[in-house]
Amino acid sequence: AQTVTQSQPEMSVQEAETVTLSCTYDTSESDYYLFWYKQPPSRQMILVIRQEAYKQQNATENRFSVNFQKAAKSFSLKISDSQLGDAAMYFCAYRNSNSGYALNFGKGTSLLVTP
Amino acid sequence: GAGVSQTPSNKVTEKGKYVELRCDPISGHTALYWYRQSLGQGPEFLIYFQGTGAADDSGLPNDRFFAVRPEGSVSTLKIQRTERGDSAVYLCASSLMGGGRSRNEQFFGPGTRLTVL
Repeated sequence: AQTVTQSQPEMSVQEAETVTLSCTYDTSESDYYLFWYKQPPSRQMILVIRQEAYKQQNATENRFSVNFQKAAKSFSLKISDSQLGDAAMYFCAYRNSNSGYALNFGKGTSLLVTP
Repeated sequence: GAGVSQTPSNKVTEKGKYVELRCDPISGHTALYWYRQSLGQGPEFLIYFQGTGAADDSGLPNDRFFAVRPEGSVSTLKIQRTERGDSAVYLCASSLMGGGRSRNEQFFGPGTRLTVL
């Protein structure tokens, strides 16, 4: 079974600054996907960024980027130029590529953005 | 609308009652998923449909929980003899196809918050 661990229950960042959210995972598979989802108070999970394990290059989406360390099984999310609208719960998730469909989520990190 | 919708948004019921939660996936999505999110936790997988059939229901906690998708579109999650421990947000997601190496992004609905008194 795969497990996803987010060790930071809460993080805080000032507007326009940079923050990094941590995620580690455990798997015996070599081919998988990793995701970061954002969940605002509206409860709707929104995909922020995705990383395929077979790709060495770290994924980026505008102000969001990841640091994917496959050997260390680490997948952190960096948010640059933080905005008030970034405040939300952030969940790291794993999915097996070959036979998997269900997402395995971590417990989440609550991000507070201060003016 | 173009997104996944779920009804009701909130449901309050009494212990022992029966409830039904509905999910309308994005049109054309063949795969549908149900997750349960307890307070302070990440979502946990319950069941996955590919078309009309439940391809994997290994996440359903016990036989009080059941889900259907009779026409391969709308799905209903049914909970019998509700217990206080069933209180959670129930999230539904859909994707164009299920799993594999294709991108198959899961799009989530806003969830139903179930409170069992």
